[in-house]
Amino acid sequence: EIVMTQSPATLSVSPGETATLSCRASQSVNGYLAWYQQKPGQAPRFLIYGASSRATGVPAKFSGSGSVTEFSLTITSLQSEDVAIYYCQQYNSWPLTFGGGTRVDLK
Amino acid sequence: EVQLLESGGDLVQPGGSLRLSCVGSGFPFSNFYMSWVRQAPGKGLEWVSGISLSGGTVKTVDSVKGRFIVSRDNSQNTLFLQMNSLRVDDTALYYCAKMGPGNWYLDLWGRGTLVIVSS
Repeated sequence: EIVMTQSPATLSVSPGETATLSCRASQSVNGYLAWYQQKPGQAPRFLIYGASSRATGVPAKFSGSGSVTEFSLTITSLQSEDVAIYYCQQYNSWPLTFGGGTRVDLK
Repeated sequence: EVQLLESGGDLVQPGGSLRLSCVGSGFPFSNFYMSWVRQAPGKGLEWVSGISLSGGTVKTVDSVKGRFIVSRDNSQNTLFLQMNSLRVDDTALYYCAKMGPGNWYLDLWGRGTLVIVSS
């Protein structure tokens, strides 16, 4: 099983600033890395696949990067609607595994 | 509208059984792998089980293997999760999710159905 580790657990960012979230895999996931956003009381929303490709309708303020075992999600110009927990997920092999999440809030 | 709608969640005693359903609409259900993902109260996401287009291939996380069975009825655009020998730590919001074309990311989620296992 591939273990996914996200850091930090919580990130406080001032409005308009940039948030950078990290995700590390215990072994290579060959770029098969996705990101999700979960707002309070809502289902997760699909954001990024293939480590860096945005899903349909996802604004350009969300960008993913990385390879092998190290990945990041960058959110620019943070606004109140971006307050959420963000999860990474590897889909290179079964079982599919998620990171523990990073909570992003406003400072 | 493209959506998934889960049902079947309930309060059940430890050792009991429950069957969850998920109806997909607005997309060709039979063309996509499907999965169940759960989220315990205040916790993160845990993938539970996935099923191939025809149901011939099933993958399940070890913690529920031998107790949970995923299946699908493409004629009814419906995904199922049969949950047996339920434990207190199976308590969670269970999401149905559509998987990407040719890939295993989860590009469409339902709103979830709540399963509570308690005596």
